[in-house]
Amino acid sequence: GAVVSQHPSWVICKSGTSVKIECRSLDFQATTMFWYRQFPKQSLMLMATSNEGSKATYEQGVEKDKFLINHASLTLSTLTVTSAHPEDSSFYICSATRDRGQETQYFGPGTRLLVL
Amino acid sequence: GDSVTQMEGPVTLSEEAFLTINCTYTATGYPSLFWYVQYPGEGLQLLLKATKADDKGSNKGFEATYRKETTSFHLEKGSVQVSDSAVYFCALSDRTGGSYIPTFGRGTSLIVHP
Repeated sequence: GAVVSQHPSWVICKSGTSVKIECRSLDFQATTMFWYRQFPKQSLMLMATSNEGSKATYEQGVEKDKFLINHASLTLSTLTVTSAHPEDSSFYICSATRDRGQETQYFGPGTRLLVL
Repeated sequence: GDSVTQMEGPVTLSEEAFLTINCTYTATGYPSLFWYVQYPGEGLQLLLKATKADDKGSNKGFEATYRKETTSFHLEKGSVQVSDSAVYFCALSDRTGGSYIPTFGRGTSLIVHP
């Protein structure tokens, strides 16, 4: 149990377009989801924490208007990269916790974004 | 703030060698500690965890002990296999305002040769 999926796994887009990435918990209800960006040298940067039904909490330095997060249900969170530029190219990973106050995270397989 | 420091990689070993990946942390609270593993092209998977001092987490032959006195959580395995080649992340989870905020190390790449 505790499977998290992401869609799409790969996306290539033109500069200036917006891209939506979905994160779903398949067999559990995720009260909290996290969005990360992973850079080429492996470091994992927490972008934001989202709780179902409330606004996401963004980490310092992450632009809220650039990276729109919507946690509309207990099984779905979306990250929209608005007006994407080549510097937004990265590996985006989501994770979820099963219950409020639980600390073990279950990760999605990641989405690789390439902006041309 | 909280932080996690891991040894620089890549770590290159021959099959059946002993593995140690060092991890130290700083935290204001009393965190739980984790090791996650990321295989090529995949997301992270929980490998093991420990929630209090002197706890030992173990899974798939890997072990790590929560050492509060040295603020460390070193990952060890007695005999590595080629299939263990992956990136390993040390992490802590510190409760803030009722939610657990995760902090990750930079990751250590392990390459195991036959």
